[in-house]
Amino acid sequence: NAGVTQTPKFRVLKTGQSMTLLCAQDMNHEYMYWYRQDPGMGLRLIHYSVGEGTTAKGEVPDGYNVSRLKKQNFLLGLESAAPSQTSVYFCASSYSTGTVYEQYFGPGTRLTVT
Amino acid sequence: DAKTTQPTSMDCAEGRAANLPCNHSTISGNEYVYWYRQIHSQGPQYIIHGLKNNETNEMASLIITEDRKSSTLILPHATLRDTAVYYCIVRVALRRRDDKIIFGKGTRLHILP
Repeated sequence: NAGVTQTPKFRVLKTGQSMTLLCAQDMNHEYMYWYRQDPGMGLRLIHYSVGEGTTAKGEVPDGYNVSRLKKQNFLLGLESAAPSQTSVYFCASSYSTGTVYEQYFGPGTRLTVT
Repeated sequence: DAKTTQPTSMDCAEGRAANLPCNHSTISGNEYVYWYRQIHSQGPQYIIHGLKNNETNEMASLIITEDRKSSTLILPHATLRDTAVYYCIVRVALRRRDDKIIFGKGTRLHILP
């Protein structure tokens, strides 16, 4: 199993450009998440999904959109990138049943907006 | 979910036990304590979790006080590879429709050679 993969690993955008980050998992997990991480801020939840076709807002959703058209994929979109969105983005997935709350994280995408 | 408080940073000598504290004084009876860590430039990694009893796995031990208002993560023989940010999270036991994890700032653990 590849686990959780993220594409691309690095990206540089100019202000106002758009892009989509792709997260894929091969563990048949119901739940998927997008986080951003900035220096000194820890991980902050952007959006998440508890199943195919469903999405919900996290702590810092403004400026981002997401889609979960297929169970294994969770897309994060930036319609008009801003320098404040320079960050490392992590995707995660988890089971939907049981009591062990273990999230599996991807390797991250480093995004710079100039 | 209950709020947690952790020291910003800690140092530990290589080969010694690293003891990372976490306060969660508002924890509810149905909330578990989870620990994750994040090594530099990598995604976070689950370590261990517990409810009331002390827990041990191949990575660490978790000691929860009797009143459950605080806990300690113990790395028994710390190595340089254990240098990371450690997150203590309190979560309800059963999954909810709005399930999500809120990470705080964690404790930055430096293992010194």
